[in-house]
Amino acid sequence: KAGVTQTPRYLIKTRGQQVTLSCSPISGHRSVSWYQQTPGQGLQFLFEYFSETQRNKGNFPGRFSGRQFSNSRSEMNVSTLELGDSALYLCASSLGLAGGQETQYFGPGTRLLVL
Amino acid sequence: AQSVTQLDSQVPVFEEAPVELRCNYSSSVSVYLFWYVQYPNQGLQLLLKYLSGSTLVKGINGFEAEFNKSQTSFHLRKPSVHISDTAEYFCAVGDSGGYQKVTFGTGTKLQVIP
Repeated sequence: KAGVTQTPRYLIKTRGQQVTLSCSPISGHRSVSWYQQTPGQGLQFLFEYFSETQRNKGNFPGRFSGRQFSNSRSEMNVSTLELGDSALYLCASSLGLAGGQETQYFGPGTRLLVL
Repeated sequence: AQSVTQLDSQVPVFEEAPVELRCNYSSSVSVYLFWYVQYPNQGLQLLLKYLSGSTLVKGINGFEAEFNKSQTSFHLRKPSVHISDTAEYFCAVGDSGGYQKVTFGTGTKLQVIP
């Protein structure tokens, strides 16, 4: 089975621009979660999508949004980029069963640098 | 609400020495506990997880962890580390009350010294 793929792997943007990141989950997985990883804040949960619906949301401003398509692929969008948005963005997929016991399978991440 | 504390941000250890990475959690409901590892320039991968049953959990690469409910801890151990174990390790807690509600600790960087 192919793993979780994320594109692009690296991205450089300037302040004020917007960016879209893509995540393709493992075949058969219906849940996709997004995380922001920075040296100072560690791994912070952005949101989770299941069957094209946002099911969980972290404490991020509205500039961060996402969506999920019928094939479970997910995109994350950040508008009006700020320097502080520079981070590694990770997505993770799972079956999406109830309860927090599932293993999440992570992609390699997209490293975003905002100048 | 649930939270995870990894007290040590960095742990240096000599090759072939034992290591323990500490993790404490808090949660108001039953929890599931995980350890993930992140190698440089890669995503996270699961080392081991505790769902129920035996409190000693064995994972990949010779790692094990012990769930201690009274001390709300889930420390990760390995009796003899290798250079290849150099990575960042994340403890995480998932609660039984929702979908994918997983909270990660801030990570511990394990530096194995030859």
